[in-house]
Amino acid sequence: DADVTQTPRNRITKTGKRIMLECSQTKGHDRMYWYRQDPGLGLRLIYYSFDVKDINKGEISDGYSVSRQAQAKFSLSLESAIPNQTALYFCATSEKTVGTDTQYFGPGTRLTVL
Amino acid sequence: DQQVKQNSPSLSVQEGRISILNCDYTNSMFDYFLWYKKYPAEGPTFLISISSIKDKNEDGRFTVFLNKSAKHLSLHIVPSQPGDSAVYFCAATRHDYKLSFGAGTTVTVRA
Repeated sequence: DADVTQTPRNRITKTGKRIMLECSQTKGHDRMYWYRQDPGLGLRLIYYSFDVKDINKGEISDGYSVSRQAQAKFSLSLESAIPNQTALYFCATSEKTVGTDTQYFGPGTRLTVL
Repeated sequence: DQQVKQNSPSLSVQEGRISILNCDYTNSMFDYFLWYKKYPAEGPTFLISISSIKDKNEDGRFTVFLNKSAKHLSLHIVPSQPGDSAVYFCAATRHDYKLSFGAGTTVTVRA
């Protein structure tokens, strides 16, 4: 079974709709992240959370919100989707270590906003 | 402004030969560098890393070289195998959780 799961895997929605992407992990990690990948740009950090009560904005948080419902669950919401939010979205987790954490990624959600 | 750049979007190499992937960075504060590998329909997986106090790190067929003065790192895969066909992302950090990723290089290993 996958350690980091994302639902849905694919989603097509219309401009203005609210949509939620969900991430669950069984690795027992405290830290969770949301990234988006666009062609030619690599992965960019949207939001991150170091524990249930700690939520922080990443480099491209405008238009997004998150909820850390439990240690194992971290959801990303688009309150009013727009076409330039069409992208591949990844959830990741890590465990605090000395130095740089190794991040473990989910399989991704491909979102298309029409 | 992208701080990590992978200027070659794709690389094709014959099975058994060496694959060399390049990565340049602009932020001199970066002190830890990672390579991730990604197959279609899967998330990136950690491959190998290097700290700025080293200039080389080796793990089996994979070796990463770091040239701090040139702000350049490279990943060598020897010998290349069909299973190495994937997208490879270079990432850099200031030894914390914030990773800056390059755009990726798609490697195709030909039989």
